[in-house]
Amino acid sequence: GEDVEQSLFLSVREGDSSVINCTYTDSSSTYLYWYKQEPGAGLQLLTYIFSNMDMKQDQRLTVLLNKKDKHLSLRIADTQTGDSAIYFCAESMTGTASKLTFGTGTRLQVTL
Amino acid sequence: GAVVSQHPSRVICKSGTSVKIECRSLDFQATTMFWYRQFPKQSLMLMATSNEGSKATYEQGVEKDKFLINHASLTLSTLTVTSAHPEDSSFYICSASTPATGGPDTQYFGPGTRLTVL
Repeated sequence: GEDVEQSLFLSVREGDSSVINCTYTDSSSTYLYWYKQEPGAGLQLLTYIFSNMDMKQDQRLTVLLNKKDKHLSLRIADTQTGDSAIYFCAESMTGTASKLTFGTGTRLQVTL
Repeated sequence: GAVVSQHPSRVICKSGTSVKIECRSLDFQATTMFWYRQFPKQSLMLMATSNEGSKATYEQGVEKDKFLINHASLTLSTLTVTSAHPEDSSFYICSASTPATGGPDTQYFGPGTRLTVL
């Protein structure tokens, strides 16, 4: 079965880097995603990585994928107070409108 | 672009009544729409997948007669919670998917509907 896990909470100071981790069990995952959810709102896609890639960088965001260990991470450089939210990793099998399996979510708190 | 709306954003109803939630893709045609449920401080759980003009595919454990899904067009899907009870109180989120080139089909999420059943 599919199981995607994340740590529940992370607190960082403004300006520092944040690293949010995710582990998954299904080795047939094709795409892995990071979503952001602000309070009382839907999800915003931040970035995704194809399973044959090790790293993807998009402005302040860096995604690292260790397929051998089934470990995914999201690094946010120069974390800002506006980055405070819940971050979900997710996986899909084929990427073609297939269902997403979401992780448990990590609440990021950015302090001044 | 790629905006998905949900209506209503918040609804309070009495136990035993039915509630309809609309999900619309505003500026694109969605081949597939998904309905999720999120309990407080928990992850999203997929309830069903719907394609325009065909019956929805429900996840295991989701009662199709209780959660009626109608996907009338490429821009509108509705979820009706029939005979709602307090345990149906939750945050319901829809997403709409559109084919993409050079990457995965992206799901665009609505802002969610908070249902409270008294």
